[in-house]
Amino acid sequence: DAGVIQSPRHEVTEMGQEVTLRCKPISGHDYLFWYRQTMMRGLELLIYFNNNVPIDDSGMPEDRFSAKMPNASFSTLKIQPSEPRDSAVYFCASGWTGDEQYFGPGTRLTVT
Amino acid sequence: SQELEQSPQSLIVQEGKNLTINCTSSKTLYGLYWYKQKYGEGLIFLMMLQKGGEEKSHEKITAKLDEKKQQSSLHITASQPSHAGIYLCGADFQGAQKLVFGQGTRLTINP
Repeated sequence: DAGVIQSPRHEVTEMGQEVTLRCKPISGHDYLFWYRQTMMRGLELLIYFNNNVPIDDSGMPEDRFSAKMPNASFSTLKIQPSEPRDSAVYFCASGWTGDEQYFGPGTRLTVT
Repeated sequence: SQELEQSPQSLIVQEGKNLTINCTSSKTLYGLYWYKQKYGEGLIFLMMLQKGGEEKSHEKITAKLDEKKQQSSLHITASQPSHAGIYLCGADFQGAQKLVFGQGTRLTINP
């Protein structure tokens, strides 16, 4: 398996623009997670899905952030409008129930 | 997260030396996960501990979870340059797959 795939790997955008991050989980995994990593706050869970259904979105910072999982092989994290403080590395991870999480390589987002 | 504290924040050791990284929780853990991250890359799973007193080893890395399930340690024996990176502990407090991560320990190995 190719592992968790994220795109793009790097994104530079201007404040106010919409940003969409994409994730393809490992086939067969029933959980999908979105994390954000910054120097100040470390690695934070934003939202996670089980069988394509959002289970806990309490980590989503504000209404500008939204996530979807239309099917078992694809998820998106959208920021609209983006702000400089959204600059971070965003990770997608997937896993089976009761098992470890497999992380993707991350998307480095820079908002100017 | 204040729920999970890692120490030390950074560690510089000479190649061949042993070292220990600690992860302390303010609450009882359902499970504790250790990951390693290299700069600019994703996290690589190392080990998962769920039972009080559990100990697991892989190559030169040993992880332990105390009996109370509130503290874990990661021990590296005879460190090598390949061990350099950031080590993160992740806590599952609810058994619900939701992990809270510590701030990480940056490990540097000097030749």
